[in-house]
Amino acid sequence: NAGVMQNPRHLVRRRGQEARLRCSPMKGHSHVYWYRQLPEEGLKFMVYLQKENIIDESGMPKERFSAEFPKEGPSILRIQQVVRGDSAAYFCASSPNTDDGYTFGSGTRLTVV
Amino acid sequence: GEDVEQSLFLSVREGDSSVINCTYTDSSSTYLYWYKQEPGAGLQLLTYIFSNMDMKQDQRLTVLLNKKDKHLSLRIADTQTGDSAIYFCAEKNTGGGNKLTFGTGTQLKVEL
Repeated sequence: NAGVMQNPRHLVRRRGQEARLRCSPMKGHSHVYWYRQLPEEGLKFMVYLQKENIIDESGMPKERFSAEFPKEGPSILRIQQVVRGDSAAYFCASSPNTDDGYTFGSGTRLTVV
Repeated sequence: GEDVEQSLFLSVREGDSSVINCTYTDSSSTYLYWYKQEPGAGLQLLTYIFSNMDMKQDQRLTVLLNKKDKHLSLRIADTQTGDSAIYFCAEKNTGGGNKLTFGTGTQLKVEL
């Protein structure tokens, strides 16, 4: 049973480009969460999704950021017109329900140059 | 809002016990977690405790929860060099869905 798979592991984008981060949850997990870790900081919640639905997006910046978890395929975190301040590690986690703990992926490290 | 705080660094000698502390502000916390992050890696769940418990032991790990003082600790017995990592505590509360609030992490350095 593969864990939470995130790709790419490292992503370099120039300012103004778009970044797409993918997350495939563990088999049987229908709840997906995205967190951002800025350098030398803890993880900050961004968004919580179930299949085809955004449940809680209270941690998402109001502009340029969006997330989806379609019926088929991975969850996508999309950042449009990236800026240097978007450079961070983005972690995805999944769970089978709201009572169980998460399993985290290895993260995507985004560098904006 | 919820706030979770940890000290930034801890250095111990190999074989000694490590105690990593965490304080939180949310009195409606239901679960409290300890995660380990090695360089360049994701977060690995070490252990968790339900808020109506005050202690949980799992091999070399002991979690103590003082709910009155909102203080959580992780004790690692017989600390090894492989335990060097950043340790995060996190809390989940009744009003936050399944969202976790993380501390800033404690970097544990194990010296020979």
